[in-house]
Amino acid sequence: QVQLVESGGGVVQPGRSLRLSCAASGFNFNSYHMHWVRQAPGKGLEWVAVIWDDESYEFYADSVKGRFTISRDNSKNTMFLQMNSLRPEDTALYYCARDWGYCSGDPCYFFDFWGHGTLVTVSS
Amino acid sequence: EIVMTQSPATLSVSPGERATLSCRASASVNNKLAWYHQKPGQAPRLLIYAASSRATGLPARFSGSGSGTEFTLTISSLQSEDFAVYYCQQYNNWPWTFGQGTKVEIK
Repeated sequence: QVQLVESGGGVVQPGRSLRLSCAASGFNFNSYHMHWVRQAPGKGLEWVAVIWDDESYEFYADSVKGRFTISRDNSKNTMFLQMNSLRPEDTALYYCARDWGYCSGDPCYFFDFWGHGTLVTVSS
Repeated sequence: EIVMTQSPATLSVSPGERATLSCRASASVNNKLAWYHQKPGQAPRLLIYAASSRATGLPARFSGSGSGTEFTLTISSLQSEDFAVYYCQQYNNWPWTFGQGTKVEIK
């Protein structure tokens, strides 16, 4: 069955960096676009970033553009989120999510499987 | 950015009763609307996509409807496992945005 397992979260000071990982299993990882979605404590969901199945494209929410970098290693069925210049407002549970598939040649941009998340806390 | 507004914030329903959740978009999203639910401590689960298509394995008591700016998720007869927070999400316009959620609780 499809499994997505996030790791790498923790407590970090403002301005520092953190790298999250998402280990995928149970499906052909290199055939799916992948996303990061976050949820601040007690708040709703916010899409963060997407990377194409073949790494050809990546897009970011304005709130993280220039600070976060999404990447993947298809040989290891793993996706990453490098987070630099972290801010208190980046505090959230970060989910790895699989895109549903292809819609008119692009990702569909909705999510059919999610991990359980890894918590990032940015605080001095 | 398209703002998604869900109502009500909390819905109190007895098991076996019908629940109707609403989601409004600040501009047309055509039919590119998904619904998820999330139980405490669990990952969100996809329920509905393309406004009315049920995800694989979803019971028939869940149905979605609407297009443009107004959408509805109906649960025809609530079961104990359906008590959760429900989110709508538009995927017609970047950035892809979610509603703030409707909590369905036991009455």
